[in-house]
Amino acid sequence: DARVTQTPRHKVTEMGQEVTMRCQPILGHNTVFWYRQTMMQGLELLAYFRNRAPLDDSGMPKDRFSAEMPDATLATLKIQPSEPRDSAVYFCASGLVERLNNEKLFFGSGTQLSVL
Amino acid sequence: GQSLEQPSEVTAVEGAIVQINCTYQTSGFYGLSWYQQHDGGAPTFLSYNALDGLEETGRFSSFLSRSDSYGYLLLQELQMKDSASYFCAVRDILTGGGNKLTFGTGTQLKVEL
Repeated sequence: DARVTQTPRHKVTEMGQEVTMRCQPILGHNTVFWYRQTMMQGLELLAYFRNRAPLDDSGMPKDRFSAEMPDATLATLKIQPSEPRDSAVYFCASGLVERLNNEKLFFGSGTQLSVL
Repeated sequence: GQSLEQPSEVTAVEGAIVQINCTYQTSGFYGLSWYQQHDGGAPTFLSYNALDGLEETGRFSSFLSRSDSYGYLLLQELQMKDSASYFCAVRDILTGGGNKLTFGTGTQLKVEL
């Protein structure tokens, strides 16, 4: 079965360290989303791409977060420097949007990040 | 911006029917989606409504009323495995190339014997 692959599954780091999360979208999908999930805020959209171009990263703290798609098979989300408030589960999701009514997103298993 | 409201928790018994409501506000509404998430798992797609009316997929149905900015997810013949969080999400056609998908805060469904 095609699936979105995220690495690492778990990451524990110390405050101030750089964190890089990776995502391999489903082959052929043209949209990639990064979401952050916490108990307090729920699923927050951080950034998304269509055909590798960033369309919206308004939900992302720009001073420390960055998202890129160096190629169609890899999306990255970096936090530098990390802070304890960044502790959350980070999900990547991909979808195929050829027509505006194609809505289904496929989520990866997430990266559980703990910043001490 | 967008905002969505759904109940935080719902409890029902096995075999029953439960309805999870979602009201939304968005400037460029295009469609309403529903996702299921089990504890420790990833959200998985359940259904999508772009037009008014009911969409049925097995035990799950989803309804949309665009004039009321309202939708619901209906789960029939509840099973223990349906215990999970359910999220509604709206597509905003006016921002970010029309692909921005914003999620509600989720409804935790607990199915009891």
